[in-house]
Amino acid sequence: DGGITQSPKYLFRKEGQNVTLSCEQNLNHDAMYWYRQDPGQGLRLIYYSQIVNDFQKGDIAEGYSVSREKKESFPLTVTSAQKNPTAFYLCASSISARGYTEAFFGQGTRLTVV
Amino acid sequence: AQSVTQLGSHVSVSEGALVLLRCNYSSSVPPYLFWYVQYPNQGLQLLLKYTTGATLVKGINGFEAEFKKSETSFHLTKPSAHMSDAAEYFCAVSDPSGGGADGLTFGKGTHLIIQP
Repeated sequence: DGGITQSPKYLFRKEGQNVTLSCEQNLNHDAMYWYRQDPGQGLRLIYYSQIVNDFQKGDIAEGYSVSREKKESFPLTVTSAQKNPTAFYLCASSISARGYTEAFFGQGTRLTVV
Repeated sequence: AQSVTQLGSHVSVSEGALVLLRCNYSSSVPPYLFWYVQYPNQGLQLLLKYTTGATLVKGINGFEAEFKKSETSFHLTKPSAHMSDAAEYFCAVSDPSGGGADGLTFGKGTHLIIQP
């Protein structure tokens, strides 16, 4: 079945560590997105990619980095520069970033700083 | 630029009662509109979408929504609430003219509570 797989589902990070969240899709979608979700704040866009080897900052990119070396993969690294990384992270993809853009979501990764 | 406003961060209804979740949008062109549902610790799942054609759209789990251009609204309804409907609901908008390369614009969500 086609879909988006995020791993791990739960992740714990110590202060000062970098961690990488995985996102893989087999939908052959060009566009991929990373969102951060905090209670009462909806979805906030971290980074997005319209095509392989290209990505753009979203509204809250500080303290995060991404890569898009393959069409199916869009990993997110939460760096030590992110002061408050505890949150629920969602990866999504769509056929294209422009026009009709129904998004498909992964199951999310809950990151906790310990 | 587009924006989405969901009225009420929390809505509580009794089991069997009508569910009404409100969504208003701002867009310079007629948009495409979406409702998503999120259960605890899960991703978002598409409930229904409006692109063109019939303004009353039916989705999964008995939900439907009506696009009203004059009111710039896309409210979500269900005639009879079930306990399993308790979840977070997000309204989203897309610009079909090709603008907005960063994908959908989401509202802040409405948490639906079902009282037994």
